[in-house]
Amino acid sequence: DIQMTQSPSSVSASVGDRVTITCRASQGISNWVAWYQQKPGKAPKFLIYAASTLQSGVPSRFSGSGSGTDFTLTISSLQPEDVATYYCQQANSFPLTFGGGTKVEMK
Amino acid sequence: EVQLVESGGGLVKPGRSLRLSCTTSGFTFRDYLMGWFRQAPGKGLEWVGFIRSKPYGGTPEYAASVKGRFTISRDDSNIIAYLEMDSLKTEDTAVYYCARRLAVGYQFYFDYWGQGTLVTVSS
Repeated sequence: DIQMTQSPSSVSASVGDRVTITCRASQGISNWVAWYQQKPGKAPKFLIYAASTLQSGVPSRFSGSGSGTDFTLTISSLQPEDVATYYCQQANSFPLTFGGGTKVEMK
Repeated sequence: EVQLVESGGGLVKPGRSLRLSCTTSGFTFRDYLMGWFRQAPGKGLEWVGFIRSKPYGGTPEYAASVKGRFTISRDDSNIIAYLEMDSLKTEDTAVYYCARRLAVGYQFYFDYWGQGTLVTVSS
């Protein structure tokens, strides 16, 4: 199975800050990575796929990059509504696997 | 508007069975692969399995943790996906989500999710 390791596990930032979350795959997975946002008590929301393609309707302050084993989700200017837990997911092979999550909090 | 609504969750004793339903609307259900995921209390997301659309064989895939105990099926006429869970264990306690596969390319990304239904396995 491909392990997805996210870091940090949590981050605290101020409004307007740039926030970067990383996800490392245990083996090369090309660019087959998605990112999801989950707010407490809610379903995951699909943000980015194929490492860097922004899903329709997602604010442009969100961006993704990476290929191979290292991937990044960046929020260019943190907003209060971005407080959530973010998960990466690899779509390279079965079983589909997720990172452990990164909790983004407001300072 | 795409909508997915899970139902059928509840409290069940270990070893018993439960069937979850995912009722959909707002898209052509028969054209889409449908997935199931779960999230144990305070934990991260875990893929449970999915079922392909009929043009791609209508076949399922399962995570190792549920293979042989869980069965995913679909009713394209009534636009519902099912997750039949047998021989339930306490570690199956989780919120269960259904989700629709993104209809772009061939990779398994999921663009719409239901609100989830809680399954609690306890004696």
